[in-house]
Parts: sequence; structure tokens; C-alpha cells
Amino acid sequence: AQTVTQSQPEMSVQEAETVTLSCTYDTSESDYYLFWYKQPPSRQMILVIRQEAYKQQNATENRFSVNFQKAAKSFSLKISDSQLGDAAMYFCAYRSWNAGNNRKLIWGLGTSLAVNP
Amino acid sequence: GAVVSQHPSWVICKSGTSVKIECRSLDFQATTMFWYRQFPKQSLMLMATSNEGSKATYEQGVEKDKFLINHASLTLSTLTVTSAHPEDSSFYICSARIDWGDLGDEQYFGPGTRLTVT
Repeated sequence: AQTVTQSQPEMSVQEAETVTLSCTYDTSESDYYLFWYKQPPSRQMILVIRQEAYKQQNATENRFSVNFQKAAKSFSLKISDSQLGDAAMYFCAYRSWNAGNNRKLIWGLGTSLAVNP
Repeated sequence: GAVVSQHPSWVICKSGTSVKIECRSLDFQATTMFWYRQFPKQSLMLMATSNEGSKATYEQGVEKDKFLINHASLTLSTLTVTSAHPEDSSFYICSARIDWGDLGDEQYFGPGTRLTVT
């Protein structure tokens, strides 16, 4: 079975600085998706970034980028130029490529990010 | 963009009563909907997966007779907590999956429903 591990329960960063959130996963599959989701205090889950395992190029979305290391099964999220609105829980998630399990997400425990002004 | 709504956003009910939570995909048809439960400062726990017109698939440890899921249409799924007890108090989140075929698929999340059982 697949597992997702986020080893940093809490992180903090100064406004305008850069922070990296860690995520490792375990799987025997070769094709899959990885996601970072943001859950602000409103608790609305928001997709931050998505990575297909077959793609070697790291995904980026504006100030958010990932460092995907497939062999190491590592998928870290880098937030550049941190803003107060980035304060939230961040969840790393894994999903199989095939449809056999309805494509359900496997979630990490989350990292609570505080942004200090 | 794709929007998923949940109703109600917040509900208080008395112990022993049942409460229904609706999840709607507003501008797309959802092949699959997922129901999650989330305790404060914790991760999402998948409760069940529902496909339109078929019985929901429940995760291990989730009582299907207590958490009734109905997926009557491609835009609506409901979760009914039957004979609710204080330990059922939690934040319930649904997500809806849109399938674009060869282009892939995506899950969109509702804003959640806070259930308090007194």
C-alpha cells in the first residue's frame, strides 16, 4: 500500500523569504500523481501544484515549485517570496495512475505553515 | 473553474437524530464523489467513494449503516449521519472528480460542513 509522510508538523517563515516543505512517499508503482494542497483557515482545500511521475521536469505555479526526486521518492514544495496569505496547512497527496481504486488520494498528515510579518 | 458546494456549511443536531449533508458539483458532472472526515489539525480521512447510480465503497472501519451515502445524479451526492452521537462531531468534506478522458482528471473540493452533535 502507498504511504505519504510529511515529517514537519509545523514550519514558519518570514514574509518575503523562501520555505521548503518536505514530503516523502512509498509506492511500488511506476506511474502516479503527486499533489500539494493548501488548506487555509477557511478550510477550503485548494490545489497548489500537481506533478505527473512520468514527467522529469519539476512542476511550477508562480511562486510555488516542487523538487521531485522519483528515485528517492521525495516531493518537496518550495514557496518563494512568502506572503501572509500563504499561512495554511499544506498537505502532500499521492494518487495512482490507474483507475482501479477510483483514483482516491493518499494523504500526508500535513504541515502547518506560519508566515511571520 | 469547477465549483463544488456543500450544504449546510454548519449544522448542530441533537444526539440520536439524523442529519443530511449535500454535495453538489455546480458546473460539471462528477464521475466520482468522495467523502472525507477531518478532525481539528489533522489530515483528511477518506470515508467512502461514491459513483453515480451505484453503491458507495466504504473504507475499512467506516460504518456504512451509520454513514449513508447516496449518489443519485452526476451532480449530487448526499451523506446522511444516522442516529448521530457527539463522537460524530467533525468537519465533513466532499470532493468531486471530473474526468477529461485522455486529458486526465481532477478532484475539486467542497468548502466542508461542520457537524456538532449535542
